[in-house]
Amino acid sequence: EVQLVESGGGLVQPGGSLRLSCTASGFTFSGYWMNWVRQAPGKGLEWVAHIKGDESEKKYVDSVKGRFTISRDNTKNSLYLQMNSLRAEDTAVYYCARSNLFDPWGQGTLVIVSS
Amino acid sequence: EIVLTQSPGTLSLSPGERATLSCRASQSVSSTYLTWYQQKPGQAPRLLIYGASSRATGIPDRFSGSGSGTDFTLTISKLEPEDFAVYYCQQYGRSPITFGQGTRLEIK
Repeated sequence: EVQLVESGGGLVQPGGSLRLSCTASGFTFSGYWMNWVRQAPGKGLEWVAHIKGDESEKKYVDSVKGRFTISRDNTKNSLYLQMNSLRAEDTAVYYCARSNLFDPWGQGTLVIVSS
Repeated sequence: EIVLTQSPGTLSLSPGERATLSCRASQSVSSTYLTWYQQKPGQAPRLLIYGASSRATGIPDRFSGSGSGTDFTLTISKLEPEDFAVYYCQQYGRSPITFGQGTRLEIK
């Protein structure tokens, strides 16, 4: 069964940092683009970043460029999102999702940026 | 950035009725890169339709997608109680990947 499990969310102060992880199972992780998508409370979906299977390409939404870094470790079947200089508007559930078809999605991990 | 505008924002229908959801793009989108997702409360989104008209694995045939260029449609032929949810369209043909703001399908 293909499965994605996010972890690492929590409460952090503005300006702080957090590292999210997404552990994959049930498929050949290195063969797929992987994405991070977020959803602010009561709001819609916003794509955050994605990374190619061999890490040769990475792209970000403008609002996180220079603050967030997407990476992966194919030996550990894991995807990461390093989030620095966090702002209140980064508060959201963060999902990882496989491939350009965003299928499947993990269950999400909640990040709250507040003092 | 390609902006996707979904309409209506909320659609109130009864089980058994037909639902038609619209997604309009600010620039032409290749059908290959247009997808639809369903999200129920407290759950992650789920892929419904890819390539504008192909159903994902396990998706019932009452769901269908159509359209091209800047206008795309998701149709649910006969609503079942489990279909009441929020639906998002998405394009991934041009960076940044963008989602529509969603259509909430609620029970009338």
